[in-house]
Amino acid sequence: KAGVTQTPRYLIKTRGQQVTLSCSPISGHRSVSWYQQTPGQGLQFLFEYFSETQRNKGNFPGRFSGRQFSNSRSEMNVSTLELGDSALYLCASSLLTGGEGYTFGSGTRLTVV
Amino acid sequence: QKEVEQNSGPLSVPEGAIASLNCTYSDRGSQSFFWYRQYSGKSPELIMSIYSNGDKEDGRFTAQLNKASQYVSLLIRDSQPSDSATYLCAVLQAGTALIFGKGTTLSVSS
Repeated sequence: KAGVTQTPRYLIKTRGQQVTLSCSPISGHRSVSWYQQTPGQGLQFLFEYFSETQRNKGNFPGRFSGRQFSNSRSEMNVSTLELGDSALYLCASSLLTGGEGYTFGSGTRLTVV
Repeated sequence: QKEVEQNSGPLSVPEGAIASLNCTYSDRGSQSFFWYRQYSGKSPELIMSIYSNGDKEDGRFTAQLNKASQYVSLLIRDSQPSDSATYLCAVLQAGTALIFGKGTTLSVSS
């Protein structure tokens, strides 16, 4: 059974640009969450989607947005990139809610220069 | 946003010993608790989940939960060098958001 797939694995962007990251959840999983991991702040929750609806959102500025498609695939977008947005962005999926535990993808390493 | 606290370590134990990792959380309403293991350069991997007070065992791993004390722990018996990793405690909030501690780095020496 394929795991959570994230693309691309690595990205280098310039300040002020925008970026879109993609996530394909495990087949049958309908809940998709996004997390940011940095050495200083650790793993922080960005948002969660289920059936194309955002159910939960973390404490991040509006530059961070996401969406989910009818096939449960999800994308997150960061606009007007800042140096501090450099991080590992992780997508995680679960069947319905987080109660059964989330499975993480390998992540996208974003570097903003 | 509620908090999850862990000692950052490093926690160093010899091979074959018991490693004890601890975590406290602030949200009394939390019902679901998880331990993730993260190797350097890799993504977090779910190793244990626990939902009720008491102990839950899975192989060499035992998770313990005490909701009254808002405390979760993970015991690793017969620690192996391959257990060397960062262990992340996570608490589920609002049904869908995992709130993570900063993680405890475990080093098992052979």
